Amino acid sequence: GENVEQHPSTLSVQEGDSAVIKCTYSDSASNYFPWYKQELGKRPQLIIDIRSNVGEKKDQRIAVTLNKTAKHFSLHITETQPEDSAVYFCAASEGWGGGNKLTFGTGTQLKVEL
Amino acid sequence: NAGVTQTPKFQVLKTGQSMTLQCAQDMNHNSMYWYRQDPGMGLRLIYYSASEGTTDKGEVPNGYNVSRLNKREFSLRLESAAPSQTSVYFCASQQGALYNEQFFGPGTRLTVL
Repeated sequence: GENVEQHPSTLSVQEGDSAVIKCTYSDSASNYFPWYKQELGKRPQLIIDIRSNVGEKKDQRIAVTLNKTAKHFSLHITETQPEDSAVYFCAASEGWGGGNKLTFGTGTQLKVEL
Repeated sequence: NAGVTQTPKFQVLKTGQSMTLQCAQDMNHNSMYWYRQDPGMGLRLIYYSASEGTTDKGEVPNGYNVSRLNKREFSLRLESAAPSQTSVYFCASQQGALYNEQFFGPGTRLTVL
């Protein structure tokens, strides 16, 4: 089955700096890579995703890059703000007829310091 | 729309007791999922369902059963709870197609003593 590794497990940045979280996956058949943000005690929420036929995707201060050859993808957050503090999870998906079976990384605790 | 709802929010069981976690969605989604979240391990897929009456095993199905009662509801049952099943359980739903967002419920925090 799929295996997703995520680094670092904790990341502390100063407000306004950039943050980068990296993930690798094992199954070359995976074709969908979402990123979820989870605030303390809350549910995971999708912040951005990328499909295997795209190398990069941006949404305001957030971007994701994908290198299919190396089987790794990364989340980039620019101009970090205190409200960006949360746990971020990457995931890789084996698609099936009805949707996506997500395999998650172990999470990165991002702390944005004033 | 309430989105994805789960009951109960919290539950404490003794080893060997049984219980059913309830999940419902009002977004008319076809696919539904159950995950468990443990510290340092991310979320792991327990079971999933493409439609009413169909269910399939995920990564960690042992010790659980599921029922897709109708399009809205997908329940998770622990027949004989064990301390290893102490976790936060999340239900999610998705409009049945590749690449669509999975929407998560608020979670159920289960402790097995």
